[in-house]
Amino acid sequence: EVQLVQSGGEVKKPGESLKISCKGSGYVFSSYWIAWVRQTPGKGLEWMGIINPGDSEVRYSPSFQGRVSISVDKSINTAYLQWSSLEASDNAIFYCARRGWIRENFYYYYGLDVWGQGTTVIVSS
Amino acid sequence: EIILTQSPGTLSLSPGERAILSCRTSQSVSGSSLVWYQKKAGQAPRLLIYGVSRRVTGIPDRFSGGGSGTEFSLTISRLEPEDFAVYYCQHHDRSPGTFGQGTKVEIK
Repeated sequence: EVQLVQSGGEVKKPGESLKISCKGSGYVFSSYWIAWVRQTPGKGLEWMGIINPGDSEVRYSPSFQGRVSISVDKSINTAYLQWSSLEASDNAIFYCARRGWIRENFYYYYGLDVWGQGTTVIVSS
Repeated sequence: EIILTQSPGTLSLSPGERAILSCRTSQSVSGSSLVWYQKKAGQAPRLLIYGVSRRVTGIPDRFSGGGSGTEFSLTISRLEPEDFAVYYCQHHDRSPGTFGQGTKVEIK
């Protein structure tokens, strides 16, 4: 079964650091980019960034550049999302998702086809 | 950054009715990059449609997508009780792969 399993929920204080994980299984992990998506009540789903497990290339949304760090350890099929200093505004559910692809004729079609279960991050003093 | 604007924000309908959801992009996107997700409370999003109009395996044919350029739509031909949820469009043209703000389909 193709799946992404995320680490458990976290409760942290402002200023603390945090690293959450996303482990893939059931497919060739290095062949699919992994995206991180934030869910908040007010803003819905937000694309934070994406990493290529094959070569660790990362692309960030301008809204999250400098606020988070995305990394991967392909030897253990795991991607990470990290904060060096959490803020109250980081309260959210964070999902990792696989960017699947299909080639039909000359075109590649993409979509986030496999999702982790989500990691809830609570930042409170 | 491409901005996706969904309308309406909320759609109040009864089971059996048709739902038409709109997604407008700030720039033209390729036909291979526009997708739709269904999001229910407490669950991860589920990919419904990719490449504007292609249904993911297992998605009922009451869901259909269309459009081109900057105007796209998701139609649910006859709402079933399990279809009441929030729907998001997203593009994969280039990074960042932004989402729309979502349309909530609620029971009238």
